[in-house]
Amino acid sequence: RKEVEQDPGPFNVPEGATVAFNCTYSNSASQSFFWYRQDCRKEPKLLMSVYSSGNEDGRFTAQLNRASQYISLLIRDSKLSDSATYLCVVKSDRGSTLGRLYFGRGTQLTVWP
Amino acid sequence: DGGITQSPKYLFRKEGQNVTLSCEQNLNHDAMYWYRQDPGQGLRLIYYSQIVNDFQKGDIAEGYSVSREKKESFPLTVTSAQKNPTAFYLCASFNRAGGNYNEQFFGPGTRLTVL
Repeated sequence: RKEVEQDPGPFNVPEGATVAFNCTYSNSASQSFFWYRQDCRKEPKLLMSVYSSGNEDGRFTAQLNRASQYISLLIRDSKLSDSATYLCVVKSDRGSTLGRLYFGRGTQLTVWP
Repeated sequence: DGGITQSPKYLFRKEGQNVTLSCEQNLNHDAMYWYRQDPGQGLRLIYYSQIVNDFQKGDIAEGYSVSREKKESFPLTVTSAQKNPTAFYLCASFNRAGGNYNEQFFGPGTRLTVL
């Protein structure tokens, strides 16, 4: 079983739409969670961290459900520039593997005009 | 500006040749990582290093080797033993002292193609 599972999509939505991505992780001891964004043929870049209480950054809202080992990302009022692949990432906070990231396959989003 | 550099951006190699990918960071980060990404796949960890002169195998280390002689540098050698080396290689670094939500920064990547 993979550490992090994501629906690969693709999601194709019109501008202005709201879209949600989900992700599950297998290691209940994981402590840190993130969403990274990766544009085509580029390196991943941090979009936002995911805190236990949920957090919002402009049009983006991240939620964490530790009981279900589930992470979500909601994008409101989608823009053309949101088109990218969104990677769900879980970080190990244990001893010798401190800092190691586990990546989902990514969910591809295309926003059309 | 602080950051991570990788070179070359594109690399072509013949079968049977070893090739070394460069990764340099001036962020003063202790930990450095090498990932491989194949089309439509997530990143897979090849090797990582938490401190100078020490490194550990990741999930797909076979056919690869690394060294960490300096804090700033973590080169990756793709050997002829790697059966399917064509991929996008990403180097990253991380400040271990920065707390749970400290960001792992990525370099721009090297695209390796075996001809």
